[in-house]
Amino acid sequence: GENVEQHPSTLSVQEGDSAVIKCTYSDSASNYFPWYKQELGKRPQLIIDIRSNVGEKKDQRIAVTLNKTAKHFSLHITETQPEDSAVYFCAASISNQFYFGTGTSLTVIP
Amino acid sequence: NAGVTQTPKFQVLKTGQSMTLQCAQDMNHNSMYWYRQDPGMGLRLIYYSASEGTTDKGEVPNGYNVSRLNKREFSLRLESAAPSQTSVYFCASSGRSRGGNQPQHFGDGTRLSIL
Repeated sequence: GENVEQHPSTLSVQEGDSAVIKCTYSDSASNYFPWYKQELGKRPQLIIDIRSNVGEKKDQRIAVTLNKTAKHFSLHITETQPEDSAVYFCAASISNQFYFGTGTSLTVIP
Repeated sequence: NAGVTQTPKFQVLKTGQSMTLQCAQDMNHNSMYWYRQDPGMGLRLIYYSASEGTTDKGEVPNGYNVSRLNKREFSLRLESAAPSQTSVYFCASSGRSRGGNQPQHFGDGTRLSIL
């Protein structure tokens, strides 16, 4: 089955700096890659996603890039703010199944 | 729309007791999922249902059973609870379109403690 690895597991940045989280996947048939943000005690919520026929997608301060050849995708958050502090999960999807990374705990220091 | 609704939100059980976690979605999604979330281990799939009438095992199915009661509802049952099943349980649903998979929508979770 699919295996998704996510790095780093923890990340601390100064407010205003950029944060980058990287994921790799093993199955070249994966064709959909969502990113979720989970605040403490809350549900995971979708923040951005990308399909395999697209190399990059941007939504305000958040962007995702996908390299199908290397089988990796990354989340980029620019101009970080304290409210960006949360756990972020990447996922890779094949058919009806979703495979999650183990999460990155992001702390934005004011 | 309520999205994905899970009940109960919290539950404490004794070892050996049984219980059913309920999940319902109102988005007309075909696929529904049960995950458990433990510290440092992300979301692990217990069971999923690609459509009404079908269920399949995920990564960690042992000790659990599921029922896809209808298109809206997908329940998770612990027949004989064990302390190792202490976790936060999330239900999710997703649809499909011509463009392919759609994102999962999660419920608020059930925090389950087994003593």
